[in-house]
Amino acid sequence: DVKVTQSSRYLVKRTGEKVFLECVQDMDHENMFWYRQDPGLGLRLIYFSYDVKMKEKGDIPEGYSVSREKKERFSLILESASTNQTSMYLCASSFSDPGLYGYTFGSGTRLTVV
Amino acid sequence: QKEVEQNSGPLSVPEGAIASLNCTYSDRGSQSFFWYRQYSGKSPELIMFIYSNGDKEDGRFTAQLNKASQYVSLLIRDSQPSDSATYLCAVNYGQNFVFGPGTRLSVLP
Repeated sequence: DVKVTQSSRYLVKRTGEKVFLECVQDMDHENMFWYRQDPGLGLRLIYFSYDVKMKEKGDIPEGYSVSREKKERFSLILESASTNQTSMYLCASSFSDPGLYGYTFGSGTRLTVV
Repeated sequence: QKEVEQNSGPLSVPEGAIASLNCTYSDRGSQSFFWYRQYSGKSPELIMFIYSNGDKEDGRFTAQLNKASQYVSLLIRDSQPSDSATYLCAVNYGQNFVFGPGTRLSVLP
């Protein structure tokens, strides 16, 4: 089975802290994605990556950065956490043509910023 | 702006009935369409996808696509309480997807 693993299920951080969310996939997928999901707003794309060391901004990149040093690992960084970044963060991965088989999602990280 | 619309629900159906979930999309260039199920507090899981006009069946699930009307639907036959979840419609645009807001389905015993 394809597995996408997010390092933390629940996380509580203080305002202003630098936060790292890690995502690892074990199926040699080329593409990796970070979404946040909020009630009433649905899934919103933060950043995505098609290959190692490359990244593209999604719809809501402000306040976030990403790193992809290895094909299997895609990290989301909150440079200075704020309360409006309290959310469920979902990592996903796919083959180079996601239209064929869709995404596989990780189990999510529920981040609370206090 | 590529948009995917769904009724937010909740859609309530009695156990054993057919649940019908609908989705419309704005871009005629879309090629593939996916349905994900998301239980409360969990991540989305893929249940079906469809590329061609018409129906595609998988067990109790049937996906229907009408590209001319830019409409895709998911039917769940013999609905069970375990089908109670939010169903997300996702439309593929190149390397990415646009997700609808989801329809919350409640199957009443």
